[in-house]
Amino acid sequence: NAGVMQNPRHLVRRRGQEARLRCSPMKGHSHVYWYRQLPEEGLKFMVYLQKENIIDESGMPKERFSAEFPKEGPSILRIQQVVRGDSAAYFCASSQAGSSGNTIYFGEGSWLTVV
Amino acid sequence: DQQVKQNSPSLSVQEGRISILNCDYTNSMFDYFLWYKKYPAEGPTFLISISSIKDKNEDGRFTVFLNKSAKHLSLHIVPSQPGDSAVYFCASSGGNMLTFGGGTRLMVKP
Repeated sequence: NAGVMQNPRHLVRRRGQEARLRCSPMKGHSHVYWYRQLPEEGLKFMVYLQKENIIDESGMPKERFSAEFPKEGPSILRIQQVVRGDSAAYFCASSQAGSSGNTIYFGEGSWLTVV
Repeated sequence: DQQVKQNSPSLSVQEGRISILNCDYTNSMFDYFLWYKKYPAEGPTFLISISSIKDKNEDGRFTVFLNKSAKHLSLHIVPSQPGDSAVYFCASSGGNMLTFGGGTRLMVKP
């Protein structure tokens, strides 16, 4: 049973370019979460999605960031017009049901470097 | 405001001894608590969890204690091993997401 799969593991983008991070949840999981870890900081919640729905995006920056979890295919976290401050590790996680009372499992992360 | 806090950024322990990692939370709506272990350049790995209806959960060398009245939980690792050296995050759940503490770096010396 494969775990949460993220790609790419490492991504380098120039300022102003777009970054797309992909996440396939664990088999049987329909709830996906994205977290960000800035250098020397903890994990910060960004967005929670179920298939075709954004449930909670209270942690998403208001501009340039968007997320989707289509009916078919992986969840995508998209960052437009990247800036140096977007350099971070982005972790996707999944669970069978909502986080309350359920364990959330994380992927290996995608490390974005903006040059 | 930080709803989940790990006040010790680092902890050093001798191999074979007990490691105790602490975590405090402020939101009384949290009802499920988890500990994750993280190595550099890897994702967090789930270790152990506890529901708010319990005060203790044990899994091998790992035990989590929950004190609801104090809004405090702790992770005990005994005996500690060098391979336990990592950053440990506590997390609390009570809504749509997990809220994480800032992490404690555990170093187990041989």
